[in-house]
Amino acid sequence: DSGVTQTPKHLITATGQRVTLRCSPRSGDLSVYWYQQSLDQGLQFLIHYYNGEERAKGNILERFSAQQFPDLHSELNLSSLELGDSALYFCASSVGVEGYEQYFGPGTRLTVT
Amino acid sequence: ILNVEQSPQSLHVQEGDSTNFTCSFPSSNFYALHWYRWETAKSPEALFVMTLNGDEKKKGRISATLNTKEGYSYLYIKGSQPEDSATYLCAPGGGGADGLTFGKGTHLIIQP
Repeated sequence: DSGVTQTPKHLITATGQRVTLRCSPRSGDLSVYWYQQSLDQGLQFLIHYYNGEERAKGNILERFSAQQFPDLHSELNLSSLELGDSALYFCASSVGVEGYEQYFGPGTRLTVT
Repeated sequence: ILNVEQSPQSLHVQEGDSTNFTCSFPSSNFYALHWYRWETAKSPEALFVMTLNGDEKKKGRISATLNTKEGYSYLYIKGSQPEDSATYLCAPGGGGADGLTFGKGTHLIIQP
């Protein structure tokens, strides 16, 4: 158990819908990273928040957004969902902003039908 | 976007045998190289973070070496056991706010 929690574990929704994935980092970690693992791709970095502020963006679509709250949990919002958004979404946390030793949560499996 | 290559893509090894696989990455602007183990139905677990050229790290039967000048790292597993079956991912990164850039991994299957 990494100490990072993610909810829900599984999510099935229809195209065009909007969903919110939630992540709570390890106690003491200020950074939250979001990654996407789809069938034909490796783990792809989406976005990074540090202590409530967005610090870096990766391959994140404009339909996706995220935020980190004062209690340091983070939410990833996915809207106007398409079939191709079906994937495993991980969040990872680390102590500092440099991304050393990122601890991964169990992931949320999103299926868009 | 960093180009990270891992080889081989998959590997079948007999229990008790030793094995190794490779991660290649751009040698310019190197900061750190991460190795993760990802077991089926679990989340990626950090194995090593390596920063210095010539670094060698060890955890039990697993060890890794790093060559930052030529841009590669080797992961070695000595005396493979069934519990070593997993996908091993490498990722250069760190030193900034960007997330890690993962290779597609080496899928290791240990056959009893």
